[in-house]
Amino acid sequence: EAGVAQSPRYKIIEKRQSVAFWCNPISGHATLYWYQQILGQGPKLLIQFQNNGVVDDSQLPKDRFSAERLKGVDSTLKIQPAKLEDSAVYLCASSLDRYQPQHFGDGTRLSIL
Amino acid sequence: AQSVTQLGSHVSVSEGALVLLRCNYSSSVPPYLFWYVQYPNQGLQLLLKYTTGATLVKGINGFEAEFKKSETSFHLTKPSAHMSDAAEYFCAVTANDYKLSFGAGTTVTVRA
Repeated sequence: EAGVAQSPRYKIIEKRQSVAFWCNPISGHATLYWYQQILGQGPKLLIQFQNNGVVDDSQLPKDRFSAERLKGVDSTLKIQPAKLEDSAVYLCASSLDRYQPQHFGDGTRLSIL
Repeated sequence: AQSVTQLGSHVSVSEGALVLLRCNYSSSVPPYLFWYVQYPNQGLQLLLKYTTGATLVKGINGFEAEFKKSETSFHLTKPSAHMSDAAEYFCAVTANDYKLSFGAGTTVTVRA
């Protein structure tokens, strides 16, 4: 089966600019996750979707981050405006449901200048 | 809330030697425990998981882990390291909310 697809793989922007990441989960997976992985740390959950509804966004900095999952399939994560501390790898994961193991994409590495 | 602590941010082993990565967890309810591996510029891949039942869990690539409730540990081992085992390894825990909490990771290097 095809894995979780993410794009772009790398992005370099200046602080205060905006950026968007795209994720296509494994077909049939109802649950989708976005994680932030800062260098030297484990992934931190930003937001979790069940189909097209938000289950948990308690750790999403809502003043600058937003995410949507239209039609319960693809998802986009946006940062506007970006700060230096947003430099990280953004990982998307999906699972059949929230009780099943998560499958991760290769991530988008974001560098803020 | 649950959390994990991975002891040692870097581990260096010789090819053919034992690999031992340490993970201790904190959870107020019976935990589910996971080990993931991350190769450079890739996402995380599930190595193995413990939910209930047998406390010795076997995973992919010859890895295994043992759940020890009395020690709140879930250490990962592999009897004989291979060059391809060089990667970063993450321990993770979840409980009844099914949200994963990851440790900070342990980077494994394998010496020829």
